[in-house]
Amino acid sequence: QVQLVQSGAEVKKPGASVKVSCKASGYTFTGYYMHWVRQAPGQGLEWMGWINPNSGGTNYAQKFQGRVTMTRDTSISTAYMELSRLRSDDTAVYYCARDRLDCTNGVCSPHFDYWGQGTLVTVSS
Amino acid sequence: SYELTQPPSVSVSPGQTARITCSGDALPKQYAYWYQQKPGQAPVLVIYKDSERPSGIPERFSGSSSGTTVTLTISGVQAEDEADYYCQSADSSGTLYVVFGGGTKLTVL
Repeated sequence: QVQLVQSGAEVKKPGASVKVSCKASGYTFTGYYMHWVRQAPGQGLEWMGWINPNSGGTNYAQKFQGRVTMTRDTSISTAYMELSRLRSDDTAVYYCARDRLDCTNGVCSPHFDYWGQGTLVTVSS
Repeated sequence: SYELTQPPSVSVSPGQTARITCSGDALPKQYAYWYQQKPGQAPVLVIYKDSERPSGIPERFSGSSSGTTVTLTISGVQAEDEADYYCQSADSSGTLYVVFGGGTKLTVL
């Protein structure tokens, strides 16, 4: 069965960086894009970007460009999301999510059929 | 930037029908997807491609689309359906740029 298992909770100081991992199992890791989505306490879902595990290509939400880096290690079927220059408003649960891309008539629609359990990142001095 | 707009809250009594709307300019060109999220849990996909239901999702969940608005309908609402619901789509640029609606809290009275 498909599973996405994320690394544990982190506490960081403002200005530091955090790197969250997402280990995939039960499917061919390089066959599906991986996205990262975050959710601040009491707030909605916020998309951060994706990585193509096959090529390593990425696409980041404009809000996070320059601060986020998504990478992968295909040998261990693991995706990573690193966020730098952390601020207090980066406190959130960070999710990885597998993209079950729908492509019809040349139009591709990303969406998420499996999610990790979430990783709480707390930024506090 | 592209946005999807949902009502913040919807309330219904058990057994009634709940309708949650989501509006966005690109919805005529891009499919919409709906997720259910209960407290402390990851989201779960309940509708894909506007109106398809994944296996394991109860038949009372359905979706529809009309122009720039998509609607999630829950018929015969049960107490266990109380949750946050998010619509999701992508912009029409072809870059797979994902957008979520702000979420709707469904309260079962």
